[in-house]
Amino acid sequence: DAKTTQPNSMESNEEEPVHLPCNHSTISGTDYIHWYRQLPSQGPEYVIHGLTSNVNNRMASLAIAEDRKSSTLILHRATLRDAAVYYCILSIGNTPLVFGKGTRLSVIA
Amino acid sequence: DGGITQSPKYLFRKEGQNVTLSCEQNLNHDAMYWYRQDPGQGLRLIYYSQIVNDFQKGDIAEGYSVSREKKESFPLTVTSAQKNPTAFYLCASSTVGRQGYTFGSGTRLTVV
Repeated sequence: DAKTTQPNSMESNEEEPVHLPCNHSTISGTDYIHWYRQLPSQGPEYVIHGLTSNVNNRMASLAIAEDRKSSTLILHRATLRDAAVYYCILSIGNTPLVFGKGTRLSVIA
Repeated sequence: DGGITQSPKYLFRKEGQNVTLSCEQNLNHDAMYWYRQDPGQGLRLIYYSQIVNDFQKGDIAEGYSVSREKKESFPLTVTSAQKNPTAFYLCASSTVGRQGYTFGSGTRLTVV
């Protein structure tokens, strides 16, 4: 039970922004929201995480809804190298991360 | 360069044989994890360890065993009791707490 809901797949044009949604309606006050991505035949790669405030790093931005029941990973300018499966995960205490099936992002040149 | 190394990248074994997958990290992380991934699926947790000489079963521990004798190393043995061992195996490490995981590049095990 991954406790998050993501679309199975999304498409984006190259060099356009991409907004990947995630619903987590059962989130509790101390759960962090993590995002990872996995390129074909590779291990997942950490992208970003946050608790309440929006977060930015060199890879992406994370926008968290005020009620924290949903979040959006924003890739500001998609490239072909961003084509991957993106996982949205709740980090609950010290328990290991639970990966669902994620969203498969295709980027069209 | 700090990182996490899994070896080998590809492994073939005959049915009924035990096989050990290696995972080494030099990130000084306390916690280490083993996940299994089947085609088109997410990752499923096999075992994890948050401290040396201690480990806990994950969701699919049956047919697998681990040891954690050193902080840097967390080998996984796939035993003959594992009914469907062919899969992509991923090792990860993290500091204990809410920081991100660092994953290895995986070992693809094929049992024939």
